[in-house]
Amino acid sequence: GAGVSQSPSNKVTEKGKDVELRCDPISGHTALYWYRQSLGQGLEFLIYFQGNSAPDKSGLPSDRFSAERTGGSVSTLTIQRTQQEDSAVYLCASSSDRRSPLHFGNGTRLTVT
Amino acid sequence: RKEVEQDPGPFNVPEGATVAFNCTYSNSASQSFFWYRQDCRKEPKLLMSVYSSGNEDGRFTAQLNRASQYISLLIRDSKLSDSATYLCVVTPGGYNKLIFGAGTRLAVHP
Repeated sequence: GAGVSQSPSNKVTEKGKDVELRCDPISGHTALYWYRQSLGQGLEFLIYFQGNSAPDKSGLPSDRFSAERTGGSVSTLTIQRTQQEDSAVYLCASSSDRRSPLHFGNGTRLTVT
Repeated sequence: RKEVEQDPGPFNVPEGATVAFNCTYSNSASQSFFWYRQDCRKEPKLLMSVYSSGNEDGRFTAQLNRASQYISLLIRDSKLSDSATYLCVVTPGGYNKLIFGAGTRLAVHP
């Protein structure tokens, strides 16, 4: 079946602009995660959605970052007033429950100039 | 202290060698453990889950040591195609989010 889909695959934006990144998880997966990965670095947890529960936002680096998950499916990560340090690959993953492994999308490579 | 720590490597080994990686975690109540593999500029993919009794999948063996709070991955008879970064993943106790280690890089040479 279809895997996790992310769009756009690449995004170049000017410093100070807002960006929206989209994630379409595997159908039926209740858990959805956002991570980011800077070049040569590990994955940094950003936010976690599980069903209808309140999301775990503990990894969001600043109030410029926010995320929504509408209808328990598609999620959007929004970065306002982008900064150069926001440049990274943003990875979305979903799983069927909290004990199950993650399935990752191909990521969105964000470059802030 | 980081929640999940790994030796970044790189581990440079010849084909056919046996290599082992350890990963330590800080939360003693952690419940779920995984090893993921990430190839250069690709997304991480699940290699194997780690069970309390230890588990094996072909050339790969995973162990969990709760007393010392570490998990290990053993790769036997290394292949060139095993070259990648191996990520240790832990679910901290009481929380559902999965925390990734920074990864251990393995390079297998002819």
